[in-house]
Amino acid sequence: QVQLVQSGAEVKKPGASVKVSCKASGYTFTSYGISWVRQAPGQGLEWMGWISAYNGNTNYAQKLQGRVTMTTDTSTSTAYMELRSLRSDDTAVYYCARDSLLVGASPYYYWGQGTLVTVSS
Amino acid sequence: DIQMTQSPSSLSASVGDRVTITCRASQGISNYLAWYQQKPGKVPKLLIYAASTLQSGVPSRFSGSGSGTDFTLTISSLQPEDVATYYCQKYNSAPPYTFGQGTKLEIK
Repeated sequence: QVQLVQSGAEVKKPGASVKVSCKASGYTFTSYGISWVRQAPGQGLEWMGWISAYNGNTNYAQKLQGRVTMTTDTSTSTAYMELRSLRSDDTAVYYCARDSLLVGASPYYYWGQGTLVTVSS
Repeated sequence: DIQMTQSPSSLSASVGDRVTITCRASQGISNYLAWYQQKPGKVPKLLIYAASTLQSGVPSRFSGSGSGTDFTLTISSLQPEDVATYYCQKYNSAPPYTFGQGTKLEIK
């Protein structure tokens, strides 16, 4: 069965970076992409970006350009999302979701369990 | 960017009621519209894709319709376990893959 297992909760100071992992199993990793979605406390869902696990192509939300980097490690079927220069409004639960090899071509059938990132001094 | 607007933002209904949530896209998106259900403290769950296709395992009281810019999610007979926030999302078009702001559904 398809599973996406994310890394644990993080507490970071403003200005720091965080790197969240998403380990995939139950399917051929390089046949799909991974999208990242975040949800601030009490707020809605925000699409952050996408990466192809086949060739590493990425597409990021404009508001995060320059602060976010998405990568994959095909040897371990793991996707990573790094967010830099953290601010308090980056406090959120971060989700990975399986997408298609074409950016945004698929709804999200499978989600990770979420990783809470708290940014606080 | 295409904006996705849901209405209402919150809704209270009685068990057994028919409930309708609407989602409007600022530009046509054909039928590339998904609906998700998120229960408190849980991961979003795909309910409907391609505007009207029920995801496997989702109760048949859920249905979706629409094309172009106007879409609806309908629960034919509200059950207590349907208390959740519902989100629409466009896909298979140019990014960003915006979600609606959500509709919080409660039992009256």
